[in-house]
Amino acid sequence: KQEVTQIPAALSVPEGENLVLNCSFTDSAIYNLQWFRQDPGKGLTSLLLIQSSQREQTSGRLNASLDKSSGRSTLYIAASQPGDSATYLCAVRRQGGSEKLVFGKGTKLTVNP
Amino acid sequence: GAGVSQSPSNKVTEKGKDVELRCDPISGHTALYWYRQRLGQGLEFLIYFQGNSAPDKSGLPSDRFSAERTGESVSTLTIQRTQQEDSAVYLCASSFLQGVGFFGPGTRLTVL
Repeated sequence: KQEVTQIPAALSVPEGENLVLNCSFTDSAIYNLQWFRQDPGKGLTSLLLIQSSQREQTSGRLNASLDKSSGRSTLYIAASQPGDSATYLCAVRRQGGSEKLVFGKGTKLTVNP
Repeated sequence: GAGVSQSPSNKVTEKGKDVELRCDPISGHTALYWYRQRLGQGLEFLIYFQGNSAPDKSGLPSDRFSAERTGESVSTLTIQRTQQEDSAVYLCASSFLQGVGFFGPGTRLTVL
């Protein structure tokens, strides 16, 4: 059974700092991995999707890496801003047929002005 | 609208009552998912619809839960005889085949 773990559960940083969020998964047979942002009352927003054959994806100040063999992904946020404050969720989709995403519990990020 | 919409946004009900939650996916999206997020927990998969294929119901926690979808349009999630443990945010998402999933804002269900 696939399990996804995110560390840390919460993180507080000053504005401008670079930071890394971690995600690990127990079954490396994944189809893709996705990072989401969750804001209260607004559902989830997809940030980056990495296919299993890819090593990283970048969007603006965000960079996500994937090491499938070790079951790890990181989300790097450069020059953090107060508007980045949210809960960040990592989710994996299993290879070979299952459509469901298995989510971690998330990392709650607070960027202080 | 362009996004996934869900209604109601909030629902408070008494234990034992039935509730129906609605999801309007993005037009043209073939896949639709329901997830549940209980307080302090990660998202739990409930059910998945893909076109006219038989739905994947493997995540439904009990026979009190059921969901329907007509074609590639609206879906309803029904919870019968609600229990306090059903209190959660119920999230719907849609996607085109196995692409990026777009989530709705969720329905917050509180069972008293």
